[in-house]
Amino acid sequence: QQQVKQSPQSLIVQKGGIPIINCAYENTAFDYFPWYQQFPGKGPALLIAIRPDVSEKKEGRFTISFNKSAKQFSLHIMDSQPGDSATYFCAAPYSGSARQLTFGSGTQLTVLP
Amino acid sequence: NAGVTQTPKFRILKIGQSMTLQCTQDMNHNYMYWYRQDPGMGLKLIYYSVGAGITDKGEVPNGYNVSRSTTEDFPLRLELAAPSQTSVYFCASSYIGISNQPQHFGDGTRLSIL
Repeated sequence: QQQVKQSPQSLIVQKGGIPIINCAYENTAFDYFPWYQQFPGKGPALLIAIRPDVSEKKEGRFTISFNKSAKQFSLHIMDSQPGDSATYFCAAPYSGSARQLTFGSGTQLTVLP
Repeated sequence: NAGVTQTPKFRILKIGQSMTLQCTQDMNHNYMYWYRQDPGMGLKLIYYSVGAGITDKGEVPNGYNVSRSTTEDFPLRLELAAPSQTSVYFCASSYIGISNQPQHFGDGTRLSIL
């Protein structure tokens, strides 16, 4: 079973700050590492994903950095806004037949105005 | 396009009761999943299905059953509710093929067992 360690558990930043969330995985047989964003009362929604043949991917204010040799990847949120306050989950593919994802335990981000 | 729809949104059960959580998707996805989310624990996979008529256990299947008679529907059954099954349950679907697509989630069913 894949293990994914996510840190920190919670994070508070001021508006305009750059929160960074880190994840480490054990092994993978597939090529897809997504981040999900979850607002209270809603299901997780895909935020951004990266394939391990690149070291960085940007989509708007969100950037994933990927270090395949260290088996780590991180999410950076540039110019964070109060509307970014949510819980963020990283996930890593699990080498099972169902192309399962193993999720991190989540990071609750609060962006203060 | 509704995506993944879960019903009910909330439910309170007594210990020993049974119920079915409904999930339907309109994206013609082949894969469907059931997760439970407990505070601070992320998402744990209960069961999954790779297509109609095919289901398999995930990480935490005990106390649950599933069926997949159609591509669209993937209900989750609790036969004898226990307090440990108090959780938020999410259904998800995705297309897995040559190019894997992300999982799309419903908004969850909040279940309390008293």
